[in-house]
Amino acid sequence: DQQVKQNSPSLSVQEGRISILNCDYTNSMFDYFLWYKKYPAEGPTFLISISSIKDKNEDGRFTVFLNKSAKHLSLHIVPSQPGDSAVYFCAARNNAGNMLTFGGGTRLMVKP
Amino acid sequence: GAVVSQHPSRVICKSGTSVKIECRSLDFQATTMFWYRQFPKKSLMLMATSNEGSKATYEQGVEKDKFLINHASLTLSTLTVTSAHPEDSSFYICSAFGTSGYRNEQFFGPGTRLTVL
Repeated sequence: DQQVKQNSPSLSVQEGRISILNCDYTNSMFDYFLWYKKYPAEGPTFLISISSIKDKNEDGRFTVFLNKSAKHLSLHIVPSQPGDSAVYFCAARNNAGNMLTFGGGTRLMVKP
Repeated sequence: GAVVSQHPSRVICKSGTSVKIECRSLDFQATTMFWYRQFPKKSLMLMATSNEGSKATYEQGVEKDKFLINHASLTLSTLTVTSAHPEDSSFYICSAFGTSGYRNEQFFGPGTRLTVL
C-alpha cells in the first residue's frame, strides 16, 4: 500500500519553462512534506519543505503547493534549467515520529 | 549545514562474504539514523531505524539477522550485510536525524553501491 505516490515516472520540459511535479498521499496523519533531488549514485539532497499548516512555500525558483483536502502537493520549478535534470522524490512525515515515507520519484529532464 | 558521510562509497564482494557500511554524522549528533535501500529506477525503501544505544527497528520483510545494524555512538551507525548474495546488490543510503539552522529532519549520506558477485 503506497502511502505516497508520484504518478508520473518522468517529465520532459524545455529550458526556461515551468516544471510541475506532482505527489499524492493517502495518510491523513502526515503533517510535513519534503521534496528531494537525487542524482544517480548519490544520496538525496533536500530542496524544499512545507508544513501542513501552510498551503504554499517558496524558495527561489522552487515553490511547493499543498492541497490538504485533495491530499496533493506539487513542486513548481520556474524557470527550469538543464542542471535541474534529476530524479525528484516527495516525502511525507507524520506527527508521530521522524520517519519519512517516499514516493516513487519522477525523473525530470530539462532540455536546452 | 548538517553533513552525513558513508564509507565505502562502492564495494564489490564475493558471494558469502560480509560487508560493513559505515554512516557518520560529521558535524552533529544523531540519536536516530535510518538505512534505506534503492533498487534501480525505484524509490528509497526504508530498511530500518537505528537508535543510539538500543536495538534497531526493522521494517516488515527486512531480515534483521542478515542486515545487522549497530548504532554505538551518536555519530556512527553501521550496516553489515552478512553472507551477501547477488540479490543483495543494491544502493544503500543512510540518513541521520539532526538539526541544521531552522531545519530539524533527516540528512542523507551519499550512498554505498554494493555489488555481490
